Amino acid sequence: DTGVSQNPRHKITKRGQNVTFRCDPISEHNRLYWYRQTLGQGPEFLTYFQNEAQLEKSRLLSDRFSAERPKGSFSTLEIQRTEQGDSAMYLCASSRSGLEKLFFGSGTQLSVL
Amino acid sequence: GQQLNQSPQSMFIQEGEDVSMNCTSSSIFNTWLWYKQDPGEGPVLLIALYKAGELTSNGRLTAQFGITRKDSFLNISASIPSDVGIYFCAANTGTASKLTFGTGTRLQVTL
Repeated sequence: DTGVSQNPRHKITKRGQNVTFRCDPISEHNRLYWYRQTLGQGPEFLTYFQNEAQLEKSRLLSDRFSAERPKGSFSTLEIQRTEQGDSAMYLCASSRSGLEKLFFGSGTQLSVL
Repeated sequence: GQQLNQSPQSMFIQEGEDVSMNCTSSSIFNTWLWYKQDPGEGPVLLIALYKAGELTSNGRLTAQFGITRKDSFLNISASIPSDVGIYFCAANTGTASKLTFGTGTRLQVTL
Protein backbone atom coordinates (compact mmCIF):
# COMPACT_ATOMS: atom_id res chain seq x y z
CA ASP A 1 0.00 0.00 0.00
CA THR A 2 1.36 3.38 -0.99
CA GLY A 3 -1.12 5.24 1.18
CA VAL A 4 -3.76 7.81 0.34
CA SER A 5 -2.32 10.63 -1.75
CA GLN A 6 -3.78 14.13 -1.93
CA ASN A 7 -2.84 17.03 -4.19
CA PRO A 8 -2.13 19.81 -3.79
CA ARG A 9 -0.99 19.93 -0.15
CA HIS A 10 -1.70 23.63 0.07
CA LYS A 11 -3.92 25.96 -1.97
CA ILE A 12 -4.29 29.69 -1.59
CA THR A 13 -7.03 31.29 -3.63
CA LYS A 14 -9.00 34.49 -3.83
CA ARG A 15 -12.64 34.61 -2.87
CA GLY A 16 -14.86 33.76 -5.81
CA GLN A 17 -12.35 31.51 -7.56
CA ASN A 18 -12.93 27.82 -8.22
CA VAL A 19 -10.58 25.19 -6.81
CA THR A 20 -10.21 21.46 -7.41
CA PHE A 21 -8.49 18.90 -5.21
CA ARG A 22 -7.48 15.37 -6.13
CA CYS A 23 -7.35 12.22 -4.03
CA ASP A 24 -5.78 8.90 -4.97
CA PRO A 25 -6.93 6.20 -2.54
CA ILE A 26 -5.08 3.07 -1.49
CA SER A 27 -5.31 0.66 -4.39
CA GLU A 28 -8.03 -1.97 -3.98
CA HIS A 29 -9.94 0.23 -1.54
CA ASN A 30 -13.38 0.60 -3.06
CA ARG A 31 -14.65 3.23 -0.62
CA LEU A 32 -13.46 6.82 -0.71
CA TYR A 33 -14.44 9.62 1.67
CA TRP A 34 -14.05 13.38 1.85
CA TYR A 35 -13.90 15.15 5.18
CA ARG A 36 -13.37 18.78 6.17
CA GLN A 37 -11.50 19.89 9.26
CA THR A 38 -11.33 23.38 10.71
CA LEU A 39 -8.85 24.51 13.34
CA GLY A 40 -9.45 22.95 16.74
CA GLN A 41 -12.14 20.59 15.51
CA GLY A 42 -12.34 16.96 14.51
CA PRO A 43 -12.88 16.04 10.87
CA GLU A 44 -16.47 16.38 9.60
CA PHE A 45 -17.91 14.05 6.99
CA LEU A 46 -18.70 15.54 3.59
CA THR A 47 -19.38 12.66 1.22
CA TYR A 48 -18.40 9.12 0.31
CA PHE A 49 -18.21 6.86 -2.72
CA GLN A 50 -18.41 3.13 -3.11
CA ASN A 51 -16.62 2.48 -6.38
CA GLU A 52 -17.89 5.24 -8.70
CA ALA A 53 -21.24 5.73 -6.95
CA GLN A 54 -21.64 8.66 -4.58
CA LEU A 55 -23.75 7.11 -1.83
CA GLU A 56 -24.07 9.83 0.76
CA LYS A 57 -23.64 13.59 1.01
CA SER A 58 -23.61 15.66 4.16
CA ARG A 59 -25.69 18.78 4.58
CA LEU A 60 -22.31 20.54 4.89
CA LEU A 61 -21.83 19.94 1.17
CA SER A 62 -23.50 23.00 -0.33
CA ASP A 63 -24.35 23.23 -4.01
CA ARG A 64 -21.01 24.96 -4.59
CA PHE A 65 -19.28 21.68 -3.78
CA SER A 66 -19.13 18.74 -6.14
CA ALA A 67 -17.23 15.49 -5.87
CA GLU A 68 -16.63 12.88 -8.52
CA ARG A 69 -15.01 9.49 -8.77
CA PRO A 70 -15.52 8.72 -12.45
CA LYS A 71 -13.71 5.39 -12.75
CA GLY A 72 -13.92 4.23 -9.18
CA SER A 73 -10.28 5.06 -8.55
CA PHE A 74 -9.17 8.66 -7.91
CA SER A 75 -11.61 11.34 -6.84
CA THR A 76 -11.84 15.10 -7.26
CA LEU A 77 -13.51 17.65 -5.01
CA GLU A 78 -14.37 20.98 -6.62
CA ILE A 79 -15.44 24.10 -4.80
CA GLN A 80 -16.98 26.81 -6.95
CA ARG A 81 -17.09 30.50 -6.06
CA THR A 82 -15.00 29.97 -2.93
CA GLU A 83 -15.85 31.88 0.23
CA GLN A 84 -13.64 32.68 3.22
CA GLY A 85 -15.64 30.18 5.26
CA ASP A 86 -14.40 27.42 2.96
CA SER A 87 -10.91 27.79 4.44
CA ALA A 88 -10.14 24.45 6.05
CA MET A 89 -8.16 21.23 5.70
CA TYR A 90 -9.84 18.90 3.21
CA LEU A 91 -9.09 15.28 4.01
CA CYS A 92 -9.57 12.22 1.86
CA ALA A 93 -9.74 8.70 3.25
CA SER A 94 -10.27 5.23 1.82
CA SER A 95 -11.32 1.84 3.09
CA ARG A 96 -12.48 -1.58 1.96
CA SER A 97 -16.13 -2.50 2.17
CA GLY A 98 -16.90 -4.36 5.34
CA LEU A 99 -13.88 -3.01 7.16
CA GLU A 100 -14.64 0.18 9.00
CA LYS A 101 -11.01 1.32 9.28
CA LEU A 102 -10.47 4.53 7.32
CA PHE A 103 -6.98 5.51 6.20
CA PHE A 104 -6.47 9.23 5.66
CA GLY A 105 -4.26 11.22 3.36
CA SER A 106 -2.22 14.22 4.46
CA GLY A 107 -4.94 16.62 3.38
CA THR A 108 -5.18 19.76 1.28
CA GLN A 109 -5.03 22.98 3.29
CA LEU A 110 -7.21 25.59 1.59
CA SER A 111 -6.89 29.28 2.41
CA VAL A 112 -9.41 31.64 0.82
CA LEU A 113 -8.32 35.27 0.92
CA GLY B 1 -22.70 17.87 12.84
CA GLN B 2 -22.71 15.50 15.77
CA GLN B 3 -19.37 15.02 17.49
CA LEU B 4 -18.27 12.72 20.25
CA ASN B 5 -17.21 14.27 23.56
CA GLN B 6 -13.59 13.71 24.43
CA SER B 7 -11.88 14.48 27.69
CA PRO B 8 -9.65 15.95 28.71
CA GLN B 9 -9.36 18.65 26.04
CA SER B 10 -5.64 18.92 26.67
CA MET B 11 -2.99 17.31 28.83
CA PHE B 12 0.50 18.35 29.85
CA ILE B 13 2.50 15.42 31.17
CA GLN B 14 6.08 14.51 31.84
CA GLU B 15 7.96 11.96 29.80
CA GLY B 16 7.48 8.51 31.26
CA GLU B 17 4.02 9.15 32.69
CA ASP B 18 0.95 7.18 31.71
CA VAL B 19 -1.95 8.92 29.94
CA SER B 20 -5.66 8.20 29.92
CA MET B 21 -8.32 9.82 27.78
CA ASN B 22 -11.89 8.92 27.00
CA CYS B 23 -14.67 9.52 24.56
CA THR B 24 -18.40 9.46 25.30
CA SER B 25 -21.61 9.72 23.36
CA SER B 26 -25.33 9.56 23.92
CA SER B 27 -25.60 7.22 20.93
CA ILE B 28 -24.66 3.57 20.50
CA PHE B 29 -21.90 2.74 18.04
CA ASN B 30 -20.68 -0.53 16.52
CA THR B 31 -17.08 0.45 15.85
CA TRP B 32 -14.67 2.70 17.73
CA LEU B 33 -11.37 3.93 16.35
CA TRP B 34 -8.56 6.03 17.75
CA TYR B 35 -6.45 8.32 15.56
CA LYS B 36 -3.45 10.56 16.17
CA GLN B 37 -2.94 13.73 14.18
CA ASP B 38 0.23 15.81 13.88
CA PRO B 39 0.05 19.47 12.78
CA GLY B 40 -0.57 19.84 9.05
CA GLU B 41 -1.06 16.12 8.54
CA GLY B 42 -4.01 13.76 8.25
CA PRO B 43 -5.12 11.51 11.12
CA VAL B 44 -3.20 8.25 11.48
CA LEU B 45 -5.09 5.16 12.65
CA LEU B 46 -3.84 3.77 15.97
CA ILE B 47 -6.39 1.19 17.12
CA ALA B 48 -9.74 -0.18 15.86
CA LEU B 49 -12.32 -1.80 18.16
CA TYR B 50 -15.25 -3.88 16.91
CA LYS B 51 -16.92 -5.53 19.92
CA ALA B 52 -18.36 -4.17 23.15
CA GLY B 53 -15.94 -4.85 25.98
CA GLU B 54 -13.03 -5.45 23.59
CA LEU B 55 -9.59 -4.47 24.88
CA THR B 56 -6.90 -4.03 22.22
CA SER B 57 -3.25 -3.04 22.44
CA ASN B 58 -0.83 -1.56 19.94
CA GLY B 59 2.59 -1.26 21.57
CA ARG B 60 2.30 1.19 24.44
CA LEU B 61 -1.29 2.02 23.49
CA THR B 62 -4.31 0.22 24.87
CA ALA B 63 -7.91 1.00 23.99
CA GLN B 64 -11.23 -0.36 25.17
CA PHE B 65 -14.68 -0.46 23.60
CA GLY B 66 -17.09 0.42 26.42
CA ILE B 67 -19.59 -2.24 27.43
CA THR B 68 -22.50 0.17 26.88
CA ARG B 69 -21.21 0.82 23.32
CA LYS B 70 -21.46 4.54 24.09
CA ASP B 71 -17.86 5.14 25.13
CA SER B 72 -14.24 4.22 24.59
CA PHE B 73 -10.95 4.74 26.40
CA LEU B 74 -7.36 5.12 25.28
CA ASN B 75 -4.34 4.65 27.52
CA ILE B 76 -0.75 5.43 26.65
CA SER B 77 1.91 3.99 28.92
CA ALA B 78 5.36 5.45 29.54
CA SER B 79 4.86 8.48 27.30
CA ILE B 80 7.68 9.71 25.08
CA PRO B 81 8.14 13.04 23.26
CA SER B 82 6.88 11.67 19.93
CA ASP B 83 3.50 10.98 21.56
CA VAL B 84 2.83 14.72 21.27
CA GLY B 85 -0.15 15.44 19.05
CA ILE B 86 -3.92 15.47 18.97
CA TYR B 87 -5.76 12.23 19.63
CA PHE B 88 -9.19 11.75 18.14
CA CYS B 89 -11.73 9.07 18.83
CA ALA B 90 -14.08 8.17 16.00
CA ALA B 91 -17.05 5.86 15.78
CA ASN B 92 -19.67 4.63 13.39
CA THR B 93 -22.84 2.64 13.43
CA GLY B 94 -21.53 0.15 10.90
CA THR B 95 -24.25 0.88 8.37
CA ALA B 96 -22.55 3.46 6.19
CA SER B 97 -18.92 3.56 7.28
CA LYS B 98 -19.33 7.26 7.93
CA LEU B 99 -17.17 8.14 10.91
CA THR B 100 -18.21 10.63 13.56
CA PHE B 101 -15.18 12.21 15.20
CA GLY B 102 -14.55 13.40 18.72
CA THR B 103 -13.45 16.86 19.70
CA GLY B 104 -9.84 15.77 20.26
CA THR B 105 -7.39 15.59 23.15
CA ARG B 106 -4.19 17.59 22.74
CA LEU B 107 -1.24 15.89 24.38
CA GLN B 108 1.94 17.72 25.32
CA VAL B 109 4.91 15.82 26.74
CA THR B 110 7.64 17.62 28.63
CA LEU B 111 11.09 16.22 29.20
